Amino acid sequence: KAGVTQTPRYLIKTRGQQVTLSCSPISGHRSVSWYQQTPGQGLQFLFEYFSETQRNKGNFPGRFSGRQFSNSRSEMNVSTLELGDSALYLCASSLGAGTSYNEQFFGPGTRLTVL
Amino acid sequence: SQKIEQNSEALNIQEGKTATLTCNYTNYSPAYLQWYRQDPGRGPVFLLLIRENEKEKRKERLKVTFDTTLKQSLFHITASQPADSATYLCALDDASGTYKYIFGTGTRLKVLA
Repeated sequence: KAGVTQTPRYLIKTRGQQVTLSCSPISGHRSVSWYQQTPGQGLQFLFEYFSETQRNKGNFPGRFSGRQFSNSRSEMNVSTLELGDSALYLCASSLGAGTSYNEQFFGPGTRLTVL
Repeated sequence: SQKIEQNSEALNIQEGKTATLTCNYTNYSPAYLQWYRQDPGRGPVFLLLIRENEKEKRKERLKVTFDTTLKQSLFHITASQPADSATYLCALDDASGTYKYIFGTGTRLKVLA
């Protein structure tokens, strides 16, 4: 079974631009969560989608948004990029949602650099 | 305020010894606690989950304990090997919050041959 895939793997943008990252979950998984990982803050939860609905949201500004499609693939968008948005963005898929005992399977991440 | 703390310093141990990593939390009441392994340039990989009513969980050379009174989880790797070198993250579910998983900042483990 193929794992979680994320595209692109690396991205360089300048301040003020916007970016869209993509995540394809493991086949059959309906929950997709997004995380931001930085050396100083560690892994921080952005949001979770299940069956095309956002179920949970972390403490991030409205510039961070996401969506999920009917095939469970998910995208996250960051508008008006700031230098502090430079991070590794990780996507994780799991079978269900709302039940935290579900094991999460992480993708390799997208390394975003904002200049 | 809510906080999850892991050993911020790297942990170096000799091959064959038992590595013990700690995860302490404050102002949370998790129903579950998970441990993940993360290698450089890769996403975290799930290792073990322990529920609040379980004291201990084992999987091969791994053992996790969960003390809800002390608000602490210990993660042990017995007979450690250089291949165990990685960053280990604990993550907990806040049963009363809106976030699905809260992660610690991780402990970098290096097993010396």
